[in-house]
Order: sequence, then structure tokens, then C-alpha cells
Amino acid sequence: GAGVSQSPSNKVTEKGKDVELRCDPISGHTALYWYRQSLGQGLEFLIYFQGNSAPDKSGLPSDRFSAERTGGSVSTLTIQRTQQEDSAVYLCASSLVLAGRGETQYFGPGTRLLVL
Amino acid sequence: EDKVVQSPLSLVVHEGDTVTLNCSYEVTNFRSLLWYKQEKKAPTFLFMLTSSGIEKKSGRLSSILDKKELFSILNITATQTGDSAVYLCAIVSGGYNKLIFGAGTRLAVHP
Repeated sequence: GAGVSQSPSNKVTEKGKDVELRCDPISGHTALYWYRQSLGQGLEFLIYFQGNSAPDKSGLPSDRFSAERTGGSVSTLTIQRTQQEDSAVYLCASSLVLAGRGETQYFGPGTRLLVL
Repeated sequence: EDKVVQSPLSLVVHEGDTVTLNCSYEVTNFRSLLWYKQEKKAPTFLFMLTSSGIEKKSGRLSSILDKKELFSILNITATQTGDSAVYLCAIVSGGYNKLIFGAGTRLAVHP
């Protein structure tokens, strides 16, 4: 596609429910990233996928958070047993990695999650 | 621990003013520094800087990196109301491709 797409654009859920957020990266981009932006805060790295390598999960805040990337393209971020502090905008980005370097990341429009 | 600090946190100017946004960093193995503009949700890419002293320009925006003093500036000349946004600075360090972001500078340009 022309850019990174994410769905849904907004999600309201009740505390304790599970949610799934989807990211479709730019076609041909092998690297995919998830970030979280809480109200008034900078972006916080969550997880990074590159090709067939094991993902870098170092930013996931708890074991309630998980992500997968099937077929090297679409990714799903799952939050189990949501808490109110999970409320944030979840941003996905992708980049083209050449010779191991892929610094310019292009962001999707994000999913605004509100946990009541 | 790698860190990015932006200043000021917020800035209010009038159309036509020139602004300078600052970004300083501490990083174990610097690879590049990026500037993004965030208006609503998706940050949009502005510049990537890897070498000291080379100015990148795009219209009224320009940016430069000083790898000795560990900072970068983003200049916007003749500001317009459409420049109102949060400007984010991020670094890529070491063998990782993840971006480490600063908290951003919120710029408001009033008519």
C-alpha cells in the first residue's frame, strides 16, 4: 500500500477485556515497529520485527502485551486483561532495512485505545 | 542508558517568527538522529542526520547535527499556523533499529 495502515482507528473497551490492534506496513518494508504514546508523553518503543529474526520484545511493559507478525507483513498487537493505564495511542511504523540499517521509519495513523 | 532531551517543551510564537528547537542526546553508539512532526496521530518524517555540520533543508525547515556536543537543532523560519505541531527528535543507537524519542516540543503558531 501507499503507507502504513492501522485498524481500528479508535477502540473503547472495558477494563479486563482483551484487545487486538492491527498494522499493515508499507509493501516491501521488512522491519515493523510498535510504539505507545500516552497522553502528553513521547513515543515509547514496544516491539520490533525484522524479517525472520526473533523479535526484539524489550519494550513490552508486561506479559499482558504480545505481538506477532504473520507472513512477514501484517502485525497484530494484543493486550490481554486491559487496564486503564493501557489507554494510549498505539503507533506502528515500518522501514526498509538495507545492510542491517533501517533508520527512517514511516508511521501509521495509530489506534487510540481507551480503557474504561 | 540512551536518552534524548528536547527543549523547550512548549513554545508559542506569532506567524513570521523564526524558531529554534533543541535536541540533546546521550547514546552509547550513535547511528543517526531523526526529526518528526506530529500534528494529530502519525508522526511524519522530516530529516535524518548522520554527519556533523551538514545542514539538511526542506523549504523553511532546516536541521543540523553536532556529534561532538551531542545535539541537534531544528530551525523553522517565517513560521505559519500550519507549523503548529509537536516536533519529535529521536535517535537510533547501536545495533538496534528502534527509535528512542524525546518528549517533544509543542509549537503553537498564532496568526
